[in-house]
Amino acid sequence: DTGVSQDPRHKITKRGQNVTFRCDPISEHNRLYWYRQTLGQGPEFLTYFQNEAQLEKSRLLSDRFSAERPKGSFSTLEIQRTEQGDSAMYLCASSSYGGRGETQYFGPGTRLLVL
Amino acid sequence: AQKVTQAQTEISVVEKEDVTLDCVYETRDTTYYLFWYKQPPSGELVFLIRRNSFDEQNEISGRYSWNFQKSTSSFNFTITASQVVDSAVYFCALRYNNNDMRFGAGTRLTVKP
Repeated sequence: DTGVSQDPRHKITKRGQNVTFRCDPISEHNRLYWYRQTLGQGPEFLTYFQNEAQLEKSRLLSDRFSAERPKGSFSTLEIQRTEQGDSAMYLCASSSYGGRGETQYFGPGTRLLVL
Repeated sequence: AQKVTQAQTEISVVEKEDVTLDCVYETRDTTYYLFWYKQPPSGELVFLIRRNSFDEQNEISGRYSWNFQKSTSSFNFTITASQVVDSAVYFCALRYNNNDMRFGAGTRLTVKP
């Protein structure tokens, strides 16, 4: 297996446009996480799925953000009406659920720039 | 509060020097896990180590070693004989429940030839 992949790697958009990112987790992993990372900071949790169920959303995830994992495999993160403050790296991670000690494996991220 | 502090924003060393990256955490939970990740310029976070709160044994893996001390709530990371390829941002993270992982702000390590 080649690990977690994300597409696109970079996205430049104009304020007000919608964008969608895709994450393909490691195939046998049932958990999938989305994080946001801004410059000079560590990743911040946004949401996670166990199989196809979205089990938790951070307060950072405004109503302009929506995430799906329709078949429990890949996931998409959509941002509607983008704002300049949405500019960040969006990271996806996957894991095989094992309680608090599970290890999350990260993808290369999608770097978003909103002009 | 659940928090991870990496006080060193940037460290610069010359190749072959030893370097220690500090991590201090706060949690009310008695069961928790600590992690270190490396983020090279490509952006992908690379898992380095996981340690649970009941295991205070230090660990060594090649040039890497970790010192976990519950008494000081610290989980420090040492690179021995640093190499240019070690240049990256290193993150310490705390997991205290089943869902949330709290990352520090990271330490940018530059190893000069």
